[in-house]
Amino acid sequence: EAQVTQNPRYLITVTGKKLTVTCSQNMNHEYMSWYRQDPGLGLRQIYYSMNVEVTDKGDVPEGYKVSRKEKRNFPLILESPSPNQTSLYFCASSSSGTGDNEQYFGPGTRLTVT
Amino acid sequence: AQSVTQLDSQVPVFEEAPVELRCNYSSSVSVYLFWYVQYPNQGLQLLLKYLSGSTLVKGINGFEAEFNKSQTSFHLRKPSVHISDTAEYFCAVSDQVTGGGNKLTFGTGTQLKVEL
Repeated sequence: EAQVTQNPRYLITVTGKKLTVTCSQNMNHEYMSWYRQDPGLGLRQIYYSMNVEVTDKGDVPEGYKVSRKEKRNFPLILESPSPNQTSLYFCASSSSGTGDNEQYFGPGTRLTVT
Repeated sequence: AQSVTQLDSQVPVFEEAPVELRCNYSSSVSVYLFWYVQYPNQGLQLLLKYLSGSTLVKGINGFEAEFNKSQTSFHLRKPSVHISDTAEYFCAVSDQVTGGGNKLTFGTGTQLKVEL
């Protein structure tokens, strides 16, 4: 089954404790991205990757890091989480980085930073 | 840069009634338009998209949307809703600029609540 998976689905952590949210897709997609969803703000892009070893900032990259060492994986790293990073995070992928391609979303990771 | 406005944050409707969810956008370049649906505790799923051609596009689950370039709108409609349509609906755009990546700019969402 074609899918985007994220782990963990739920995470409660404390300020400053480094964490990684994993994202993996099995569709051989070139393009992957991370969004965060906050009430009243919709989804906003954090980082994206056009292909292996090619990443770039989205609209709200502060406090986040990403890497793309393999085509299928695109982990999101929070080196020193803060309470304002409490949010619902979605990973997405598409076959290419052109705007006409459908994006496939993972199930989401709900992060709480205390 | 683009922006998307969904004027209605919540839309209550009775089952079997028609519904329209409104979406307006602004952009300095040509865009592609999308509607995504998010069921409770799930990720987003594509309902339909407008890329080019006919301005009336049909999607899954009986939904359709009409692109109106002069009004910069892309309203979503369904002639008869079902209780299972209860979900949050997001309008989104991406630009047609080559090399611009596939970033989606989302509206703030409309919660559709279908009541018996």
